[in-house]
Amino acid sequence: AQSVTQLDSHVSVSEGTPVLLRCNYSSSYSPSLFWYVQHPNKGLQLLLKYTSAATLVKGINGFEAEFKKSETSFHLTKPSAHMSDAAEYFCVVTSGNTGNQFYFGTGTSLTVIP
Amino acid sequence: KAGVTQTPRYLIKTRGQQVTLSCSPISGHRSVSWYQQTPGQGLQFLFEYFSETQRNKGNFPGRFSGRQFSNSRSEMNVSTLELGDSALYLCASSLAGGVQPQHFGDGTRLSIL
Repeated sequence: AQSVTQLDSHVSVSEGTPVLLRCNYSSSYSPSLFWYVQHPNKGLQLLLKYTSAATLVKGINGFEAEFKKSETSFHLTKPSAHMSDAAEYFCVVTSGNTGNQFYFGTGTSLTVIP
Repeated sequence: KAGVTQTPRYLIKTRGQQVTLSCSPISGHRSVSWYQQTPGQGLQFLFEYFSETQRNKGNFPGRFSGRQFSNSRSEMNVSTLELGDSALYLCASSLAGGVQPQHFGDGTRLSIL
């Protein structure tokens, strides 16, 4: 079975401070993991992906995530938040053994305080 | 390269009607997936098409159906609309599915009166 748990439904940070969005996954097989961002009334944009290469993955807009198998985690971080980072973030797991079905977390809403 | 295009962007229907949503994938992408997004249920997988065949299906009633054409464009149909079908319907494409990243359109906002 595949699933993800996003541990925080809402996160608020001040502009210029670090961002941490937490994601734990469950997978019976070697997982592929993704982070997507969704701005209001828009579709989802891929931030970064992990597909069994380097465990520290760098994405767009300064975001990165670290795959930790021992902790079954894939937390998203950014050193310094910008106002434009305010959005909904989704952690996603899939596996080649489950076809193309993506399993989405419930999302984390990020608020950036000026 | 053009992204995933969904039409229409907004749609208003009444209960009992049916609706067809369209999705044009990124050129060269052969896998198209559909999702329903609501505030209460989040993102739920509807189905995935690859080379005109439904390859994967979520847990939705038979009122929800889809198809894919030879040019990889896909349509989704919902019959006998219910109030609970009000949602943002998202289409995503990828080269061949599997663990490849999906690229999303901006969605069709369906409102049922």
